[in-house]
Amino acid sequence: EVQLVQSGAEVKKPGESLKISCKGSGYSFTSYWIGWVRQMPGKGLEWMGIIYPSDSDTRYSPSFQGQVTISADKSITTAYLQWSSLKASDTAMYYCARRGRGPGGYYYGMDVWGQGTTVTVSS
Amino acid sequence: DIVMTQSPDSLAVSLGERATINCKSSQSVLYSSNNKNSLAWYQQKPGQPPKLLIYWASTRESGVPDRFSGSGSGTDFTLTISSLQAEDVAVYYCQQYYTTPQTFGQGTRLEIK
Repeated sequence: EVQLVQSGAEVKKPGESLKISCKGSGYSFTSYWIGWVRQMPGKGLEWMGIIYPSDSDTRYSPSFQGQVTISADKSITTAYLQWSSLKASDTAMYYCARRGRGPGGYYYGMDVWGQGTTVTVSS
Repeated sequence: DIVMTQSPDSLAVSLGERATINCKSSQSVLYSSNNKNSLAWYQQKPGQPPKLLIYWASTRESGVPDRFSGSGSGTDFTLTISSLQAEDVAVYYCQQYYTTPQTFGQGTRLEIK
């Protein structure tokens, strides 16, 4: 079964650092892009960025560039999203998701999603 | 960035009736390499991650009921639910994956009338 399993909920204080994870299984981890999506409480989906685990090619949304770091360790089929200094406005649900790929090799939308990691930042 | 604008923001439809959600992109998302539109639709129910329904604007994801269909080209797209079922109550999002950032629409909340 293809799945992405994310790390558990986090409660942090402003200024603290954090790294959340997303472990892929059941497929060739290095052959698919993994993306991160933010959903603030009661709000819509925001695309943060994606990484290709094979070579760590990473693309960020301008809205998140410099605010977070996306990385991957292909040896343990895990992608990461990290913050060096959290703000209260980082409070949200964070999803990782795999970009689907068709028989012709073209990548399309996000076909497999993690269960989400809730991050709460509060003093 | 490509801006994705959905309409309406919310929609109430009777059981068994048709529901139509629109999505407009600020520029064309037609991918010249395969001549397909880089547009996906997702369904999100409360407390759950989004679920991919449609990609390449009109290709139904495996396991998605055939009452869900996608259409459109260029900058204007539509998700249609032909006969609304109670389990279709959710928020629906469109997304372009033509270029990064792969932006989402603001979402359309679908309810039962």
